[in-house]
Amino acid sequence: AQTVTQSQPEMSVQEAETVTLSCTYDTSESDYYLFWYKQPPSRQMILVIRQEAYKQQNATENRFSVNFQKAAKSFSLKISDSQLGDAAMYFCVTTSGTYKYIFGTGTRLKVLA
Amino acid sequence: KAGVTQTPRYLIKTRGQQVTLSCSPISGHRSVSWYQQTPGQGLQFLFEYFSETQRNKGNFPGRFSGRQFSNSRSEMNVSTLELGDSALYLCASSLERASTDSPLHFGNGTRLTVT
Repeated sequence: AQTVTQSQPEMSVQEAETVTLSCTYDTSESDYYLFWYKQPPSRQMILVIRQEAYKQQNATENRFSVNFQKAAKSFSLKISDSQLGDAAMYFCVTTSGTYKYIFGTGTRLKVLA
Repeated sequence: KAGVTQTPRYLIKTRGQQVTLSCSPISGHRSVSWYQQTPGQGLQFLFEYFSETQRNKGNFPGRFSGRQFSNSRSEMNVSTLELGDSALYLCASSLERASTDSPLHFGNGTRLTVT
């Protein structure tokens, strides 16, 4: 069964600094997709970034980028120039088969002014 | 385009009662998934519907059920409520199959409190 592990329950970063959130996953599938979602206190889950496992190039979305290491099954999220609005719970997600999404336990990110 | 709409936002029920939650997906999205989120268990998958058919089901007792209508709107029902059912229930929609072209889009959730 697919699993997603986020080993950092909580992280803090100073405003304008860079932070990296870790994620490892376990899958036996050859074709899958990876996502990072954030859930601010407003509680709506928002898509941050997405990555196809068959693409070696790391995805980037403005200040957000990933370090995808397929062999190591690692999918970390880097947030550059952190802003107060980045404070949220971040979830690493992988797909399982055609229809299922597997969520990690989340990392709470605090941004310090 | 309107996002995923969940109603109601808050619900307070007593043990033994039943509850129905509603979810309207983004227009054109045919897949609707439900998740239960609690501080202790995190996000747990309940079930997923596509074209009125349940394609996937998580590990929840039969008290949890759902359905999808021909317009893709979905409802989730929990019967004989227990205190442990208190949670944030999230609905998500997507086009069809899981992919980066069809990521999950979430609603604001329904906060259910069972007393």
